[in-house]
Amino acid sequence: DIQLTQSPSFLSASVGDRVTITCRASQGISSYLAWYQQKPGKAPNLLISAASTLESGVPSRFSGSGSGTEFTLTISSLQPEDFATYYCQQLNSYPLTFGGGTKVEIK
Amino acid sequence: QLQLQQSGPGLVKPSETLSLTCSVSGDSIVSRSYYWGWIRQPPGKGLEWIGSIYNVGTRYSNPSLKSRLTISVDTSKNQFSLRLTSVTAADTAVYYCASHPDFAEYFHHWGQGTLVTISS
Repeated sequence: DIQLTQSPSFLSASVGDRVTITCRASQGISSYLAWYQQKPGKAPNLLISAASTLESGVPSRFSGSGSGTEFTLTISSLQPEDFATYYCQQLNSYPLTFGGGTKVEIK
Repeated sequence: QLQLQQSGPGLVKPSETLSLTCSVSGDSIVSRSYYWGWIRQPPGKGLEWIGSIYNVGTRYSNPSLKSRLTISVDTSKNQFSLRLTSVTAADTAVYYCASHPDFAEYFHHWGQGTLVTISS
């Protein structure tokens, strides 16, 4: 199975901050990576597919980059509605796997 | 717009079978466009993919659950289902149904989630 390691697992930030979350894969996965946002009590919401493709309706302050084994999700200017937990997911091979999550909280 | 609505019990006894159903609206479940899957999340923890089914044939399962798992499609009701046998407390989780396009396993659409507690 492909392991995905997210860092940090928790971060505290202020509105307006630039935030970067990293996802490292245990083996190369090309660009077969997605990012999701999950708010408490809700299902995850797909933000980015193919490592860097922003889904329809997702604000442009979100961006993704990377390929192979290292990927990043960046929020250019954190907004109050962005405080949530973020997960990466690989679809290079079965079983599909998710990272452990990064919780973004208000400083 | 595709919508997924889950149903099923929130409490299951240890050693029994967990059964959940996901009703699909907005498209036919035998559409060649989608895979139908299940994902779970233990309380306070991360996401675990359980398995996916394509149309009524092709299935993919998480090896950690494969021996206990059945995912099936009911085309007459436009639903798909999850059955997990011999459950233990470790199976306590929020279970989500979800779908992804047939060309890539990005989960675009999700059900509302069902908390299933395994307890006597």
